[in-house]
Amino acid sequence: QLQLQESGPGLVKPSETLSLTCTVSAGSISSSSYYWGWIRQPPGKGLEWIGSIYYSGRTYYNPPLKSRVTVSVNTSKNQFSLKLSSVTAADTAVYYCARHRYSSGNNWFDPWGQGTLVTVSS
Amino acid sequence: QSVLTQPPSASGTPGQRVSVSCSGSSSNIGSNTVNWYQQLPGTAPKLLIYSNNQRPSGVPDRFSGSKSGTSASLAISGLQSEDEADYYCAAWDDSLNGYYVFGTGTKVTVL
Repeated sequence: QLQLQESGPGLVKPSETLSLTCTVSAGSISSSSYYWGWIRQPPGKGLEWIGSIYYSGRTYYNPPLKSRVTVSVNTSKNQFSLKLSSVTAADTAVYYCARHRYSSGNNWFDPWGQGTLVTVSS
Repeated sequence: QSVLTQPPSASGTPGQRVSVSCSGSSSNIGSNTVNWYQQLPGTAPKLLIYSNNQRPSGVPDRFSGSKSGTSASLAISGLQSEDEADYYCAAWDDSLNGYYVFGTGTKVTVL
């Protein structure tokens, strides 16, 4: 079945840019009706949606993060990526990628990757 | 920005029925369907309920969801020890060009 796997540095310095990639296997990132999203969870806290992208490149971002976030897609590699700029300690979290079922009035995330912990520290 | 409000905790003994509430607004739950996610300790969240009351394949039928107005509810009947987890509601919000919002989360403890 469809699987997603996050990859990228586990440690990022303050003010730098966090970069993660999600590799999709056993399925095509170019499937219609599906976006591909990023969600994060600070240690001991709740879930926060970051943004989602369609294979055509159309994106949606969470308003509080929009100025710092870029989500991109590489259909030839079946991957999508996250860049979060000017990070601070508050961006320390487990970052998940997930398939986003998107339609008017009807949205959910399934399945999810296992998640990767990114720590922001000097 | 909108928030979906859940009680921090809920508990029950094995076999009991437990309910978790989720309160939103007209721009999210009032306009869009609600989903529920289960997060077992140390694992990634898993979709439990989608489109208010639909269970993905493999989810036991003791889990059920409902929605009324700007609120939603998750019920676990016949509570089992393996149901001890964090539960999050979520929905799309139509304000600010649209965004996905999660609930504050509820820790369900099996006594």
